[in-house]
Amino acid sequence: DAGVIQSPRHEVTEMGQEVTLRCKPISGHNSLFWYRQTMMRGLELLIYFNNNVPIDDSGMPEDRFSAKMPNASFSTLKIQPSEPRDSAVYFCASSLSRRSGNTIYFGEGSWLTVV
Amino acid sequence: AQTVTQSQPEMSVQEAETVTLSCTYDTSENNYYLFWYKQPPSRQMILVIRQEAYKQQNATENRFSVNFQKAAKSFSLKISDSQLGDTAMYFCALANGGATNKLIFGTGTLLAVQP
Repeated sequence: DAGVIQSPRHEVTEMGQEVTLRCKPISGHNSLFWYRQTMMRGLELLIYFNNNVPIDDSGMPEDRFSAKMPNASFSTLKIQPSEPRDSAVYFCASSLSRRSGNTIYFGEGSWLTVV
Repeated sequence: AQTVTQSQPEMSVQEAETVTLSCTYDTSENNYYLFWYKQPPSRQMILVIRQEAYKQQNATENRFSVNFQKAAKSFSLKISDSQLGDTAMYFCALANGGATNKLIFGTGTLLAVQP
């Protein structure tokens, strides 16, 4: 089975540029999560979707960040304009949510460097 | 509020020895799940083991086992016969049971397995 697929794996961009990170969740999963990992703040949940609907975006740092999930097999996280403090590893994760519990599986991450 | 605490920033163990990583958590939920994730230098987040709070039996996966003390809200990870490939950052995580659950992570423990 293919796992969670993220692209790009690495991106270096200049401050002020738009950055788009992409994610394909595991087929059949109905929940999708975007996490950010930095040395200072550890792993932070930015936003999560259930059945393509954003449920909680309270972790999105500011209006420069936006996320979409147009269908069950694709999501994007966009930063516009990007700033050096956005440099981090961004993880997408997915799960099959059910009341009996579920395990969240992570992609390999997108390493973003903003210079 | 849910919290996860890992009080050991770094640990070291000799190859073939046993090591225990500590984790405490706090939640007001009765139905929840606990996880240990491993993050090697590649940064990929790999699920090591999972425990349902309603199960009294401690989870085991090959060389990895947990000591789940529900009353004390403690969830430690024991790695037996440590191998060089176990060198990684280990994260303890908590998720509520429910239709959609999100992971709350601890700050991690960096484990170094020495030859």
